[in-house]
Order: sequence, then C-alpha cells, then structure tokens
Amino acid sequence: QKEVEQNSGPLSVPEGAIASLNCTYSDRVSQSFFWYRQYSGKSPELIMSIYSNGDKEDGRFTAQLNKASQYVSLLIRDSQPSDSATYLCATYRGGATNKLIFGTGTLLAVQP
Amino acid sequence: DTGVSQDPRHKITKRGQNVTFRCDPISEHNRLYWYRQTLGQGPEFLTYFQNEAQLEKSRLLSNRFSAERPKGSFSTLEIQRTEQGDSAMYLCASSPWDSRSSYNSPLHFGNGTRLTVT
Repeated sequence: QKEVEQNSGPLSVPEGAIASLNCTYSDRVSQSFFWYRQYSGKSPELIMSIYSNGDKEDGRFTAQLNKASQYVSLLIRDSQPSDSATYLCATYRGGATNKLIFGTGTLLAVQP
Repeated sequence: DTGVSQDPRHKITKRGQNVTFRCDPISEHNRLYWYRQTLGQGPEFLTYFQNEAQLEKSRLLSNRFSAERPKGSFSTLEIQRTEQGDSAMYLCASSPWDSRSSYNSPLHFGNGTRLTVT
C-alpha cells in the first residue's frame, strides 16, 4: 500500500463547476496535511494546509480532513481553466521521521 | 524574501560525469530538503537537513549522491558518475521548524534543477 494515494486522473470538469480531488493516507499518526498545485514543468506550489478534522476554506479552495477514515480532499469551486494542473497531496510520516511524503498527484483539466 | 533559489535551472551532462546543484533556502528557515521528481510521479524524498546536520537520507539514495549544508545556510547536492536514470527534476525546499509546535510546517519549493543525462 502506498503511503499517500491519489487517483492520477485526468479529472475533467467544465469551467465554473466544482472539482473534487481525493487523497488517502496509510499512517494513522499523520498530523499535518498539505495540497500543492504543480503546473507542467514547474515546481509544486502550496495552496492549502490542514491539521484538524473538518473543513478549511480559503477563497475558492476548501480542504477537508477525516482522520478516522484517513482521508483528505480538496474542493475547487468555480473552476477556471487556469486551475488546470496536477494537484499533489502530501503528509508527514509519523514517528521520528520528518519526511513529507507526496502522492503521485491528480491531473485536473478544466474545460472552457 | 526572495524564496528558495536553485542553480542551475537546467543541466545537461554526459553519462559518467559529476554534477553539483546549489540551493539557497528562505533565510529564516532552518530545515532544507532535497527531492527528486520524474514525469508522472510525485516528488520523492532524498534527504533533509536541520541547520547543518543531515538528519535523514533516503535508503533509495545510492552512494553516488551526497549532500552538504556546511554552514546551515545554502546546500549542495552532488551526483557522481551520472547515469541516464538520474535524469529528473531535482527540487529543493525549505521550512521553518519550532520544537514547541505540535505540527509540521509545509515545505516551500524552489524552481528546481532539471537534469538530463545523455
């Protein structure tokens, strides 16, 4: 089992729709969760951090965390073509290590 | 704050040559990470430093790879006797760390160094 799993996509949504990106993780003691956006050929850019169960909203982005289900998601409202990118889910492995572990990313394509 | 800076942006080298990459982290960040990323994959952890101490190194990292952060500021990543399989984007990231915090901070990435081994 991969430590952080994401559907690689592509996830295709029409402009203006809600894009829903999902991620599961295997380490029950993980505490910190992050979503990064990565445009083709560029480096990852942090868009959301979430540490507690529930929802966290920032503009058009909402991160959702459910530690009991080991599940974290990202909702993008009013999707724009400029949101087309790969979205990476990441969490620190628990215990003595301090490695940020990434999923393989989900490719989002917003159709104009 | 100019963010994390990496140099060079691109490097083309012949198999068997040595290459060295440099990373300058955000000045107040005491943790510095190196990752490698290939097409269609997420970033893969290589190693990280807290100040000048290298605290963890991936078991996947062969002994051809070495990293240093001599004064706790900039870092270098050297690959000796490069192989075609080393072709990838090498990403550097930094973060602050406070032992009093219950949570880990996110990483802030540089623009990366794209290595092509021919």
